[in-house]
Amino acid sequence: AQSVTQLDSQVPVFEEAPVELRCNYSSSVSVYLFWYVQYPNQGLQLLLKYLSGSTLVKGINGFEAEFNKSQTSFHLRKPSVHISDTAEYFCAVSESVAGANNLFFGTGTRLTVIP
Amino acid sequence: DVKVTQSSRYLVKRTGEKVFLECVQDMDHENMFWYRQDPGLGLRLIYFSYDVKMKEKGDIPEGYSVSREKKERFSLILESASTNQTSMYLCASSAWRYEQFFGPGTRLTVL
Repeated sequence: AQSVTQLDSQVPVFEEAPVELRCNYSSSVSVYLFWYVQYPNQGLQLLLKYLSGSTLVKGINGFEAEFNKSQTSFHLRKPSVHISDTAEYFCAVSESVAGANNLFFGTGTRLTVIP
Repeated sequence: DVKVTQSSRYLVKRTGEKVFLECVQDMDHENMFWYRQDPGLGLRLIYFSYDVKMKEKGDIPEGYSVSREKKERFSLILESASTNQTSMYLCASSAWRYEQFFGPGTRLTVL
């Protein structure tokens, strides 16, 4: 089974500063990669996904992520954060093999944007 | 837009009660999932289903069962609720091998 590591459990950042949330996964097999965001008392919402093709993926709300196969990483970035980006962010990985697409989740990174 | 709905946002039950959590999706997705979410542990898969009347255990199935009698509905059952099942429960659905869509969650408190 996959193991997904989100290296930072909490990331405080000032408004309009850049941010990077780190994600590493364990397997070297072909994978699908996802970032989800969870606002307080809500379910998870998809930010972006990598299935194939370009390793730089753009998502909603100005976020992007880069798939690095050699480093088994999928870090999330935003050049300038807003107060409204305060939320919890989850990285998830699915192996691109036959069968139901079970997702393996990291433990989450809580992003706090400071005014 | 895909919509996944869960029967309750907040639920309070007593130890030993039988608890039903209902999830409905409106996009004809084959796969449905139940997770629980706890601080510092992320999301843990309880059960999933890839077809009507089919179910598979996830990582933490103990103390839970599920039912999928119709494609759009996936129920999570706590046969005898215990305090350690106090948690946020999230339902999700997906088409074959694509991203999962989540419901708003049910915050269950067992007293």
